[in-house]
Amino acid sequence: GAGVSQSPSNKVTEKGKDVELRCDPISGHTALYWYRQSLGQGLEFLIYFQGNSAPDKSGLPSDRFSAERTGGSVSTLTIQRTQQEDSAVYLCASSLTGGNGYTFGSGTRLTVV
Amino acid sequence: GQQLNQSPQSMFIQEGEDVSMNCTSSSIFNTWLWYKQDPGEGPVLLIALYKAGELTSNGRLTAQFGITRKDSFLNISASIPSDVGIYFCAGMNYGGSQGNLIFGKGTKLSVKP
Repeated sequence: GAGVSQSPSNKVTEKGKDVELRCDPISGHTALYWYRQSLGQGLEFLIYFQGNSAPDKSGLPSDRFSAERTGGSVSTLTIQRTQQEDSAVYLCASSLTGGNGYTFGSGTRLTVV
Repeated sequence: GQQLNQSPQSMFIQEGEDVSMNCTSSSIFNTWLWYKQDPGEGPVLLIALYKAGELTSNGRLTAQFGITRKDSFLNISASIPSDVGIYFCAGMNYGGSQGNLIFGKGTKLSVKP
């Protein structure tokens, strides 16, 4: 597509439920990031995919968080047993090679009640 | 790990004023990026800098890659109301940790009351 697409745009879930957030990067982009942004805060790195290399998971805050990228394209970020502190905007970004500027999606606003 | 110090954290602008913000790092980067984020949207790339000492303009925006490779600044000339938002710097080292992209905490531009 023309840009990075994220779905859903908004998600409200009950504490303890699992959620899946989806990112469709720009076609052909090999590098993909997930970031978390709490209200009024900066971007917190979560995970990075680059081509067929093993992902850099060093930013995932706990083992309740996981992400995969199938076929080098679509990525899914899964949060298990959601907690209220997981409420934030989750942003995905992709890049052609990883050496250029990244294009961001509009994010998924997750609210855990 | 690498960290970026972005300042100021926030500032008020009056239409027509020039604005300046900067980022510093304790270690060097190969690339500096400046993004702007509007409410409810993902960050949008404004300027990318690839070479120490490089000075690049994009309309009323001018950014420079510091000669030491540890800092960058962004200037906005003759500000207008639509300049309000959050500006993020990002430093990148291809192949580095965190997937090579480190963000500052942002500078929030608001209109002077």
